[in-house]
Amino acid sequence: GENVEQHPSTLSVQEGDSAVIKCTYSDSASNYFPWYKQELGKGPQLIIDIRSNVGEKKDQRIAVTLNKTAKHFSLHITETQPEDSAVYFCAASRWILTGGGNKLTFGTGTQLKVEL
Amino acid sequence: NAGVTQTPKFQVLKTGQSMTLQCAQDMNHNSMYWYRQDPGMGLRLIYYSASEGTTDKGEVPNGYNVSRLNKREFSLRLESAAPSQTSVYFCASIVRRGASGYTFGSGTRLTVV
Repeated sequence: GENVEQHPSTLSVQEGDSAVIKCTYSDSASNYFPWYKQELGKGPQLIIDIRSNVGEKKDQRIAVTLNKTAKHFSLHITETQPEDSAVYFCAASRWILTGGGNKLTFGTGTQLKVEL
Repeated sequence: NAGVTQTPKFQVLKTGQSMTLQCAQDMNHNSMYWYRQDPGMGLRLIYYSASEGTTDKGEVPNGYNVSRLNKREFSLRLESAAPSQTSVYFCASIVRRGASGYTFGSGTRLTVV
């Protein structure tokens, strides 16, 4: 099955700096890579995702890059703000749009702390 | 529109007791999932239901059973709780032809003593 490794486990940055979280996956057939943000006491919330036919995707201050050859993908947050402080999870899947029961395999999470 | 609703939010059980965690979604989603979250281990899939009437094991199914009661509801049952089942449990759902990922509930924090 798929195995997803995520680094670092904790990350502390100064407000305004950039933050980068990296993940690697094992299944070369994986084609869908979402990122989730989890605030304290809440469920994970999708913040951005990328499919294997795209190398980079950006949404305002967040971006995700994918290197299929190396089987790794990264989350980039620019101009970090205190409200970015949370746990971030990467995930990978062989996502089938026309089928049901698509399963995500998650990384172990990164605790991001943005300091004033 | 509440999304995915989980009950209860907190629960303390004694070893050997049983309980059912409830999950309901109001988004007309086809597939539903149960994950557990433990420190340093991310989210691990327990069981899932690709569509109403079907259920399948995930990565860590031992000690659990599930029921897809109807399209809206997917429950997780612990028949004889063990301390190793102390965790935060999340339910999630997705429409069949999902263009995006899961919608998660807010979780159930379970402690088995």
